[in-house]
Amino acid sequence: AQTVTQSQPEMSVQEAETVTLSCTYDTSESDYYLFWYKQPPSRQMILVIRQEAYKQQNATENRFSVNFQKAAKSFSLKISDSQLGDAAMYFCAYSRETSGSRLTFGEGTQLTVNP
Amino acid sequence: DTAVSQTPKYLVTQMGNDKSIKCEQNLGHDTMYWYKQDSKKFLKIMFSYNNKELIINETVPNRFSPKSPDKAHLNLHINSLELGDSAVYFCASSPHRDRKETQYFGPGTRLLVL
Repeated sequence: AQTVTQSQPEMSVQEAETVTLSCTYDTSESDYYLFWYKQPPSRQMILVIRQEAYKQQNATENRFSVNFQKAAKSFSLKISDSQLGDAAMYFCAYSRETSGSRLTFGEGTQLTVNP
Repeated sequence: DTAVSQTPKYLVTQMGNDKSIKCEQNLGHDTMYWYKQDSKKFLKIMFSYNNKELIINETVPNRFSPKSPDKAHLNLHINSLELGDSAVYFCASSPHRDRKETQYFGPGTRLLVL
């Protein structure tokens, strides 16, 4: 069963605008780690941001921030001031104690940035 | 300097052939992984090694055999290739076998089986 769900297969945003990508996950554990990876057309998987579940403060990395709602099991990615170079497939992923160090990925969201 | 490298980047071959994909990391990490990305872009773990020891072995056909000669290298050998093996294969590494560690990915190897 799919345990990481990205319900938006595709999203688009105007350059300089803000966009939010959704991710929900399913786990009964309390200690886990969440990640957003970006895959541009070059195919390279690039870490965008990560969040430790035991930290209540939302992670931020420059124009990228997350809205982590632990009770709702939601982990959305907000991209501010979108740039053409942000166009990519974005994957939400987590790692849990019961699955070792493996990453479990969502289906991905293809983001288009319009000039 | 490339942190995680894979060779080849592209591989086109006939059904029934045997092929290998090589992965090397120069980050000094203990743990390495193979992931498969299918035609729908879904990524799934295949194997993981920690200091040359196999620690994750997902439900993968035994035609796939990973080998780790040392902790900086993790190779993937595939016997009797099938059409369904066509995919992008990613190698990754992390400092340790801990779920908190960030994984660093190689550029991927696109395998096309004809």
